[in-house]
Amino acid sequence: DADVTQTPRNRITKTGKRIMLECSQTKGHDRMYWYRQDPGLGLRLIYYSFDVKDINKGEISDGYSVSRQAQAKFSLSLESAIPNQTALYFCATSDPLVKVLAGGTTSFTDTQYFGPGTRLTVL
Amino acid sequence: GENVEQHPSTLSVQEGDSAVIKCTYSDSASNYFPWYKQELGKRPQLIIDIRSNVGEKKDQRIAVTLNKTAKHFSLHITETQPEDSAVYFCASMRAGSYQLTFGKGTKLSVIP
Repeated sequence: DADVTQTPRNRITKTGKRIMLECSQTKGHDRMYWYRQDPGLGLRLIYYSFDVKDINKGEISDGYSVSRQAQAKFSLSLESAIPNQTALYFCATSDPLVKVLAGGTTSFTDTQYFGPGTRLTVL
Repeated sequence: GENVEQHPSTLSVQEGDSAVIKCTYSDSASNYFPWYKQELGKRPQLIIDIRSNVGEKKDQRIAVTLNKTAKHFSLHITETQPEDSAVYFCASMRAGSYQLTFGKGTKLSVIP
């Protein structure tokens, strides 16, 4: 099945360590995203990429960097981890779809397909 | 940037009753509004979405309504079932940005 996978699923590390979280997808989507989820704060966008040569900062990019090595792979790095980066990290992909319906109206959807998440703890 | 407010943060309903979750957005250029459901320990998954040229959309027991003038949209779940218990996130997307801004989530508990 086409899917979005993340490694590792759980990671405990210490302050100051460099950490890389990896995301792979077999959906063939060009667009990939990294989010972090904190209790009560929802999902916040860290970085996103619309193709291999495209990297864009999201709402909370400070302290993070990314690499889009191929269409199917998007990695998130924490250069020097700190405790307030303890969170659940999700990768996602999307493939916007516009349909022309009967009557000439258009239907738009941009479903984001999330990976299973990586739970990161920084001590 | 866009700001999405979601209410309530928690909601408990009896099985069979209806549940309504409301979101407001700040950017009048936003034109796409999806809702995601996240079950405990699972990944978020899209359950329904609406575009700004439509006022209401239904899919079986769930529906979304949009009021562009007031810049708010709502998720309605009828005949709730225990398996509807989850955290629900609303989101908005500014036209052409392809970036979603999420609300903070509503934890829905359906009591059997």
